Amino acid sequence: AQSVTQPDIHITVSEGASLELRCNYSYGATPYLFWYVQSPGQGLQLLLKYFSGDTLVQGIKGFEAEFKRSQSSFNLRKPSVHWSDAAEYFCAALSNFGNEKLTFGTGTRLTIIP
Amino acid sequence: GAGVSQSPSNKVTEKGKDVELRCDPISGHTALYWYRQSLGQGLEFLIYFQGNSAPDKSGLPSDRFSAERTGGSVSTLTIQRTQQEDSAVYLCASSFGTSGQGGETQYFGPGTRLLVL
Repeated sequence: AQSVTQPDIHITVSEGASLELRCNYSYGATPYLFWYVQSPGQGLQLLLKYFSGDTLVQGIKGFEAEFKRSQSSFNLRKPSVHWSDAAEYFCAALSNFGNEKLTFGTGTRLTIIP
Repeated sequence: GAGVSQSPSNKVTEKGKDVELRCDPISGHTALYWYRQSLGQGLEFLIYFQGNSAPDKSGLPSDRFSAERTGGSVSTLTIQRTQQEDSAVYLCASSFGTSGQGGETQYFGPGTRLLVL
């Protein structure tokens, strides 16, 4: 079955520190991959996406993600986090033919400490 | 331009009542999706529309749930005889097309928070 795994339920980092959120997928063929962010009481905002080509993709708010086929991973990174980055982050995948539903990971809640 | 909008933003209802949730997609987006976000189940796909037709209803949890889309725009998700386990945030998304058409990215609305007492 198609699935997306985010191994870390909760991560705490200091403001200004670097961040990496992990995401692994299990699909028959490489899916389209997305990272969304959700602030409390808000909907999902798209951070970045990978369809094909360059495996390092840049997104909004200074985030980037690297697609690694050999590891079936699509980890999200940011060199220096800001207090406003505290939120829940969801990795998602979409099959690139026929099946239109996004499959989400369980999310990683990010806490920033001063 | 305007994003996806949903109404109401919050809905409190009594068990057994029917509720209707509305979604206005981004103008020009032909595909529309409903998801449910709950504490125990995470983010779950419910249904998607391409135009006014729904090729995939596989995520609707029971026959109490139904959805329609008219005029290729607004969609309504209806839950009949609500149960306490229906309490969740219902998210709507839209996309320019579908994965076979190059319009893969789904943009989400703010959600409707439903509480069934």
